[in-house]
Amino acid sequence: KNEVEQSPQNLTAQEGEFITINCSYSVGISALHWLQQHPGGGIVSLFMLSSGKKKHGRLIATINIQEKHSSLHITASHPRDSAVYICAAPYSGAGSYQLTFGKGTKLSVIP
Amino acid sequence: DTGVSQDPRHKITKRGQNVTFRCDPISEHNRLYWYRQTLGQGPEFLTYFQNEAQLEKSRLLSDRFSAERPKGSFSTLEIQRTEQGDSAMYLCASSTGLATYEQYFGPGTRLTVT
Repeated sequence: KNEVEQSPQNLTAQEGEFITINCSYSVGISALHWLQQHPGGGIVSLFMLSSGKKKHGRLIATINIQEKHSSLHITASHPRDSAVYICAAPYSGAGSYQLTFGKGTKLSVIP
Repeated sequence: DTGVSQDPRHKITKRGQNVTFRCDPISEHNRLYWYRQTLGQGPEFLTYFQNEAQLEKSRLLSDRFSAERPKGSFSTLEIQRTEQGDSAMYLCASSTGLATYEQYFGPGTRLTVT
């Protein structure tokens, strides 16, 4: 079974703190998604990466394909970063590349 | 390009009723996915279309569920004889199908079965 595991499940941080969310997966893949979900449900794609590191503003995502591990970092966290962060891996089933999702990390940033 | 849209955004229905949701993907995205997310969980794959062909279905998609994508554009997901366990957020995503695999998500339809 293809599995995606995230940690921690819940994370509370003070504004300005550096945040790390981890993701591991059980089957070899060629890319991994990091997604953000705000209350109300809409999902926004933050990163899709297949190697190394990507940076967008205060968000940094890294991946180690050999170790099947990825991390999402948020620098100088802000209350508006409060959301659920989900990692997802595209698995090929009949060529669909359907996403298998982690359960998400609920981040709360306190002013 | 207005992104992926879904309608309705919220639906409350009584157990046993039928409901239908609609998804309009990004124009010319040939791949369309339906996912379901229950409270506190990550989304789970339901079904996948490439153009108008439904190529893959999850075991989660019982025979009360049916999805269509006529003409390879918008898609509908119908649930017959709804049960309380069907209460969830139903998410649609579309993709160009190129090697990048990137999927673009709609805002979701939240279904509550009373």
